Amino acid sequence: DAGITQSPRHKVTETGTPVTLRCHQTENHRYMYWYRQDPGHGLRLIHYSYGVKDTDKGEVSDGYSVSRSKTEDFLLTLESATSSQTSVYFCAISEWTSTSHEQFFGPGTRLTVL
Amino acid sequence: DQQVKQNSPSLSVQEGRISILNCDYTNSMFDYFLWYKKYPAEGPTFLISISSIKDKNEDGRFTVFLNKSAKHLSLHIVPSQPGDSAVYFCAASHTGNQFYFGTGTSLTVIP
Repeated sequence: DAGITQSPRHKVTETGTPVTLRCHQTENHRYMYWYRQDPGHGLRLIHYSYGVKDTDKGEVSDGYSVSRSKTEDFLLTLESATSSQTSVYFCAISEWTSTSHEQFFGPGTRLTVL
Repeated sequence: DQQVKQNSPSLSVQEGRISILNCDYTNSMFDYFLWYKKYPAEGPTFLISISSIKDKNEDGRFTVFLNKSAKHLSLHIVPSQPGDSAVYFCAASHTGNQFYFGTGTSLTVIP
């Protein structure tokens, strides 16, 4: 299994509070991603990073920010959590080669915003 | 708009028979396609992929077929086993840095 951990694994918070989720990898992969999974929507990309300090928005980036100060860590921040951000969040990593472009996923973080 | 679609939310198959999961896409620029398998409370795990220069890729019991003209791909599992029961996601990419996922198909293999 790819070395990807997410913390915390579960979190309950209140509307309006800031929340930070952490993704840590030991694979030294260049690309890192944050997705959310919701019923009827599958996996939707929030933000991704293609290197230290290099990030870009995905399809559902509103209300989220990210930072990557080290290759191994990718942080997702909800500045002011809302109930619509209740979801399961997955981090993923990938390293593009001439023959493979697979993403490897972490175990997920279940976030509940009350 | 959903660029990758899995129109069957669920599928039930008898053990030993073939499972066929389907996926359609709208963006003709997609050039790499993947299938993932997901068990409850776990992250998706990579299953098999195919480049747009091919129309078939096989790995053991799993085969992915790509029909570029129809913008359609399918995953065949033969023979199906109870351990294959999971949610299957297809995904597509054209830039190498963003992946677009379908909504998933829940496969149940009946012993």
